[in-house]
Amino acid sequence: AQKITQTQPGMFVQEKEAVTLDCTYDTSDPSYGLFWYKQPSSGEMIFLIYQGSYDQQNATEGRYSLNFQKARKSANLVISASQLGDSAMYFCAMRDRLEYGNKLVFGAGTILRVKS
Amino acid sequence: DTAVSQTPKYLVTQMGNDKSIKCEQNLGHDTMYWYKQDSKKFLKIMFSYNNKELIINETVPNRFSPKSPDKAHLNLHINSLELGDSAVYFCASSQPTSGSDTQYFGPGTRLTVL
Repeated sequence: AQKITQTQPGMFVQEKEAVTLDCTYDTSDPSYGLFWYKQPSSGEMIFLIYQGSYDQQNATEGRYSLNFQKARKSANLVISASQLGDSAMYFCAMRDRLEYGNKLVFGAGTILRVKS
Repeated sequence: DTAVSQTPKYLVTQMGNDKSIKCEQNLGHDTMYWYKQDSKKFLKIMFSYNNKELIINETVPNRFSPKSPDKAHLNLHINSLELGDSAVYFCASSQPTSGSDTQYFGPGTRLTVL
């Protein structure tokens, strides 16, 4: 079964600094996808970034980048130049392929607090 | 111009009541989902529909009945509500043929059962 592990329940980062949120995964499927979502205190789930298992390069989206290390089964999210608005819960998720469709399997999340 | 919308945003009700949550997406996606986020923020899939057909049903009590009148809408009806049903329910949609099959979530419905 697919599994996502986020070992950091909470993180602090100083404004304007970079921060790395850890995510490790386990799967026997050679074709998989990894996602990061942001959940601010207002509650919505915001898609940030996607990495496919066959993608040759690490994904980047603005200040977000994904440090994808396939052999180590890790997909860490790097946020550069942190802003106060980055304070939120961050979830790592993996696409689980089932017979008739896909579902997302989520990690437990990491709460990020950006200090001014 | 919301992509995935849900109503209501908040729902407070008594144990034993029946309630519905509605979801609509204007992304033209073929697949829609319901996820439940519990009090510890853990997210788990409940159902998925593709073009109005149920394709995923993850051991959810049969008090929960999803309905998809068309591929842009997926509603969730809950009978005989229990205290343990209190949670945030998220609707999502995706396009499986897109490669990434990225799921886009609605704003969530916070259900409180008293």
